[in-house]
Amino acid sequence: DAGITQSPRHKVTETGTPVTLRCHQTENHRYMYWYRQDPGHGLRLIHYSYGVKDTDKGEVSDGYSVSRSKTEDFLLTLESATSSQTSVYFCAISESEGSPLHFGNGTRLTVT
Amino acid sequence: EDQVTQSPEALRLQEGESSSLNCSYTVSGLRGLFWYRQDPGKGPEFLFTLYSAGEEKEKERLKATLTKKESFLHITAPKPEDSATYLCAVQAPTGGSYIPTFGRGTSLIVHP
Repeated sequence: DAGITQSPRHKVTETGTPVTLRCHQTENHRYMYWYRQDPGHGLRLIHYSYGVKDTDKGEVSDGYSVSRSKTEDFLLTLESATSSQTSVYFCAISESEGSPLHFGNGTRLTVT
Repeated sequence: EDQVTQSPEALRLQEGESSSLNCSYTVSGLRGLFWYRQDPGKGPEFLFTLYSAGEEKEKERLKATLTKKESFLHITAPKPEDSATYLCAVQAPTGGSYIPTFGRGTSLIVHP
């Protein structure tokens, strides 16, 4: 398995609170991604990073921010959580832009 | 309109009953098409990459093929352990990047 660790694995939080999810990799891959997976929608890209401090938005980036201060860590922050952000969040990494993605095992987030 | 459409949404097979899953796409300038397997509670696991029409890849009971508009994942004599959700993703130029776009998946159940 690719060395990808997501934390926490499960989280319950209240509407309006900030939440940070962490993705840690040991593969030294350049690209890192955050996706959310919801029934009926499949995997949708939130943000991605193509290097330290280099990030860009995906198709569902509203309400989310990211940071990458080290190659191995990519943080996803929900600035003020809403019930619509209840989802399973997956981090993925890839060696280059054309390489296959390798995924972590996800964080299940519930916003009450 | 979805760029990647997978069908059927769900498929039930008897052990040994071969079948095919479909992934059709409408993107231009396809750079690569990926197949993944996802087990419940886990992240997607990479299976194959296909780059050009006519290309085929095989792994155990799975065989992936690619045409100019679609890809098939053929499952020969499936076993219960092949039960999973199968995802496809296409990589094509979008705003200067090549981030994969995923279909919604096909949920496969193989009965013993």
